[in-house]
Amino acid sequence: QVQLVESGGGLVKPGGSLRLSCAASGFIFSGYYMSWIRQAPGKGLEWVSYISSSGDTIFYADSVKGRFTISRDNAKNSLYLQMDSLRAEDTAVYYCARENNIVFENWGQGSLVTVSS
Amino acid sequence: ETVMTQSPATLSVSPGERATLSCRASQSVGTRLAWYQQKPGQAPRLLMYDASTRATGIPARFSGSGSGTEFTLTISSLQSEDFAVYYCQQYAGWPPMYTFGQGTKLEIK
Repeated sequence: QVQLVESGGGLVKPGGSLRLSCAASGFIFSGYYMSWIRQAPGKGLEWVSYISSSGDTIFYADSVKGRFTISRDNAKNSLYLQMDSLRAEDTAVYYCARENNIVFENWGQGSLVTVSS
Repeated sequence: ETVMTQSPATLSVSPGERATLSCRASQSVGTRLAWYQQKPGQAPRLLMYDASTRATGIPARFSGSGSGTEFTLTISSLQSEDFAVYYCQQYAGWPPMYTFGQGTKLEIK
């Protein structure tokens, strides 16, 4: 069955960096578009970034453009999110999600990122 | 950016009754609309896509309708496991700038 497992979250100071990883299994990872979606504590869902199956097409939400970098390693069945210049408002649970029919069909359990001094 | 507005923010319904949740888009999204269910401490789960197509494994008591800017998710006979927060999401246009509604909390009356 499809499994997505995020890791790499934690506590970081404002202005700091963090790299999230998402390990995929149970499907042909290289055949699917992937996204990162976040949810601030007690708040709704916010799409963060998208990457095509080959990695050659990438988009970001305006709120993270220029600070976050999405990437993938199809040989390792892994998705990444490099987060730089972190702000307090980036505090959230970050989910990786597999897209199918342009919707988020499968989600990981999430990784909590807390930005605080 | 297409803004998604859900109503009501909270809906109180008794088990066995029908629940109707609404979602409005600030501009037409055709039928490029999905619904997700999220329970406390869990990731969201895809319920519906293309406005009215149930995702794999979703019970028939869930139905979706609408097009353009007005959409509805109906749960015909509420079960205890249906009490959760529901989000709509649009995926129209290119490049993808997916946006979610703020959610409707469905609680037990």
